[in-house]
Amino acid sequence: NAGVMQNPRHLVRRRGQEARLRCSPVKGHSHVYWYRQLPEEGLKFMVYLQKENIIDESGMPKERFSAEFPKEGPSILRIQQVVRGDSAAYFCASSSLAGALTDTQYFGPGTRLTVL
Amino acid sequence: KNEVEQSPQNLTAQEGEFITINCSYSVGISALHWLQQHPGGGIVSLFMLSSGKKKHGRLIATINIQEKHSSLHITASHPRDSAVYICAAPLNSGGSNYKLTFGKGTLLTVNP
Repeated sequence: NAGVMQNPRHLVRRRGQEARLRCSPVKGHSHVYWYRQLPEEGLKFMVYLQKENIIDESGMPKERFSAEFPKEGPSILRIQQVVRGDSAAYFCASSSLAGALTDTQYFGPGTRLTVL
Repeated sequence: KNEVEQSPQNLTAQEGEFITINCSYSVGISALHWLQQHPGGGIVSLFMLSSGKKKHGRLIATINIQEKHSSLHITASHPRDSAVYICAAPLNSGGSNYKLTFGKGTLLTVNP
C-alpha cells in the first residue's frame, strides 16, 4: 500500500511566481490536511479538506493561498505571488475518518519550498 | 504562547539508555498524537492515544487525561532513534480530532 505521496519534494520559486504543491492521500482516504512548518518553528495546521469540499481553512492565510481536493486527482495547495516568508516545509496528511477517536493521520514526506 | 508544551527541548543519551519525553497541554482533549520527524524531514505517526498506555516495540506512550500530561518512553535507545519527537493535540477543534496543535518538538540524539 502506498502511503501519502507529495510532489515535488523540493520546489524553488522566485518572488512573485506561483507554487503548486500536490498531495495524493493513502488509497481510500477521503480526508486531507495541510500543515506548514516554518524554519525553526513547529508545525501549524492550515486547512482540512474532504473530496470536493473545504471543511476548515482557518489556519490558511486569507490571501494568496488556496487549496482544493477534487473528486479525481490529488489535493493541491496553491500559493500565488510567493514571498520569501512562504519558504517552509509543507506537509500533507490523510485519514480515513475525521474526528473519530480511532482516527490516525498519515503524513507525507513534505514539500520544501524555497523562495528566492 | 504554545498550548502544547514539550520537555526537554533537546536530549542527548547514550545507546541503551531509557528515554522519557514529556508533553503537557492546556485543555481537555479527546486524543493525543506522538510523531517522529527524522533528519530528512519526513514525519511518521507513532501513536494516537486517548487513555492509558500504548506500546509498539521499544516505544511506550502514556497519557493522564486528568493531569493533561503525556509521556513518550524509549527503552534500550539506539542511534537510529535520533530524531525530533513531536506531540500534538486537537486543542481548538470543537471536540473533533483533526485540528492539531503541535509542540515545538524534542530533538533526541542517541550516541553510540
